[in-house]
Amino acid sequence: DTAVSQTPKYLVTQMGNDKSIKCEQNLGHDTMYWYKQDSKKFLKIMFSYNNKELIINETVPNRFSPKSPDKAHLNLHINSLELGDSAVYFCASSQYSRTGELFFGEGSRLTVL
Amino acid sequence: GIQVEQSPPDLILQEGANSTLRCNFSDSVNNLQWFHQNPWGQLINLFYIPSGTKQNGRLSATTVATERYSLLYISSSQTTDSGVYFCAVVGTSGSRLTFGEGTQLTVNP
Repeated sequence: DTAVSQTPKYLVTQMGNDKSIKCEQNLGHDTMYWYKQDSKKFLKIMFSYNNKELIINETVPNRFSPKSPDKAHLNLHINSLELGDSAVYFCASSQYSRTGELFFGEGSRLTVL
Repeated sequence: GIQVEQSPPDLILQEGANSTLRCNFSDSVNNLQWFHQNPWGQLINLFYIPSGTKQNGRLSATTVATERYSLLYISSSQTTDSGVYFCAVVGTSGSRLTFGEGTQLTVNP
């Protein structure tokens, strides 16, 4: 069983469309995250939820909306996609938000045409 | 926020060689991790090491928290070690992992 799984692995879409990425973890962790990795491989946190509560909300366009229906799931919805949204989006989880070991999903590569 | 610097940015080795990757950080930390991003893009946990020394096979890591650096040692490198190695930290006054820019390692056969 994959510890942190996200779907889909690949998305190719047109500018202006809306898309969602889903993430699930079976590690029993309390905290989940979305990270964005750009073309230069830089990893930057976008959002973090602790037990369904939003605790980190970086400077991200409000076209990006995370949702955590329960502590094992964290989804990311993106409205009105732009070319600059093309990136790899990683879901991750940890037991504790500051001191816990972070585990990543396999990533979802988004390409906006 | 905390600054994380990794060196060298790029490293090319012949199979069998040893290497040391360095991570400097600008503040005290209570979380430090090393990750390997393989050529397929997967981010693999190597070490959770806010202080001390750990070993796992050919890899080992040491964090000297008082001097604000961590080292990742790779011995007898293999082509499968190729990829990007990231260091990430949480400062004692911070709330999230901050990543360095990574070291791109290429191991040639």
